[in-house]
Formats: sequence, structure tokens, C-alpha cells
Amino acid sequence: GENVEQHPSTLSVQEGDSAVIKCTYSDSASNYFPWYKQELGKRPQLIIDIRSNVGEKKDQRIAVTLNKTAKHFSLHITETQPEDSAVYFCAARYGNNRLAFGKGNQVVVIP
Amino acid sequence: EAEVAQSPRYKITEKSQAVAFWCDPISGHATLYWYRQILGQGPELLVQFQDESVVDDSQLPKDRFSAERLKGVDSTLKIQPAELGDSAMYLCASSSSYEQYFGPGTRLTVT
Repeated sequence: GENVEQHPSTLSVQEGDSAVIKCTYSDSASNYFPWYKQELGKRPQLIIDIRSNVGEKKDQRIAVTLNKTAKHFSLHITETQPEDSAVYFCAARYGNNRLAFGKGNQVVVIP
Repeated sequence: EAEVAQSPRYKITEKSQAVAFWCDPISGHATLYWYRQILGQGPELLVQFQDESVVDDSQLPKDRFSAERLKGVDSTLKIQPAELGDSAMYLCASSSSYEQYFGPGTRLTVT
């Protein structure tokens, strides 16, 4: 089955600095890679996604890059703010629009 | 903005009792998913519906779990009998294409 791994498990950054989270996936047929943000006690919220026909996508302070050859993709958050503190999950699509999720990264933005 | 609705938000039950969770997807979304999220982990798919049909229930413990989506709109997930290990967040998501949108979840505690 599909395996998705996230690194590092916890990331602490100073407010204003950049944060980068990397995910690797196992199924070379995967063609869609979303990122979700989950604050404590709340639903996972889709924040950005990328399809396999592009290498990068940007939305204001967040961006996602995809390297299909190496089978990894990364979330980049620039100019971090305290409200960026949350758990971030990456996922990869396979089969009948199924998503396999990573275990999540805890991002802590230090004011 | 339309959202996935779930109820109840919290449920405490004793082991061996029956519990049921309800999900109302975003209007027009043909695909509905039930996930289980254990604290500190990413969501894991239990069952996927396309309209009223089950597409994938390979990870659903069918000896105690059942799910239905009779009219292809809202859905119910049932556990009978509940076990201590079932304590988790049960998330519903819906999709009309690639993007999956999550509901707020039902936090189940089995005592």
C-alpha cells in the first residue's frame, strides 16, 4: 500500500522565519499531494495542494514543491506568524481518490 | 461557505455498547469518506462511498463497524459493540474531485 512519511516530527521556528516540512511517498503513480493544517481540537483544513503536472505552487505565504523523480514534496511557510502554529499533515492520492496521510508535523512559532 | 457537518461532536460510551455517528457532506459531493484519527497520528481511511455504493471498505473492521449511505447523501457509521481501543476522533470528509474537505469530527471515548 501507499506509505507517506513526514520529517521532522516537530519544528520550532522564530516568528518571521521560514519553516519547511518534507514528505516522501512510495507509490510512483500518485498524482495529487495536498497539505492539511489541523489546530488543536479542530478539523483538518486543506491549505494547499499540488498535482503531478507541476513542480511548484504558491499561495501568499505558503508554497508546495514537488520532486516526482525523488518522490518527495515539501511545504514552505515564509514569514511565520504565531497563528501558523499547528499540526501539518501531508497526503498522497492513490487508487480511487484515496488519500494516505503522514503522521503529521507539529510546527511551533515562537513569538 | 459550505462545510461538512457531523454529529455528535463528543460521545462517551461504555465498552460493549453501540454508538452511531452521522455525517452530512457538502451539497453535490458524490464521494464521502469516514476516517479514524488516533491522537498524534494522521487520519486513516475506514470506508469510502461513491454516491450510495461502497468503493473501499478494506480497512473497516467489519465484525463491529458498519457504514451506510442509503440515498447517496448523508451517512451513518456504527460501532457495535464498542471496545476501549475504538477511542479516537472519527472524521467524515467529502469530495467532488481531488480535494477532500473534512467535517469537525466526533470525539469518541470508550470507558
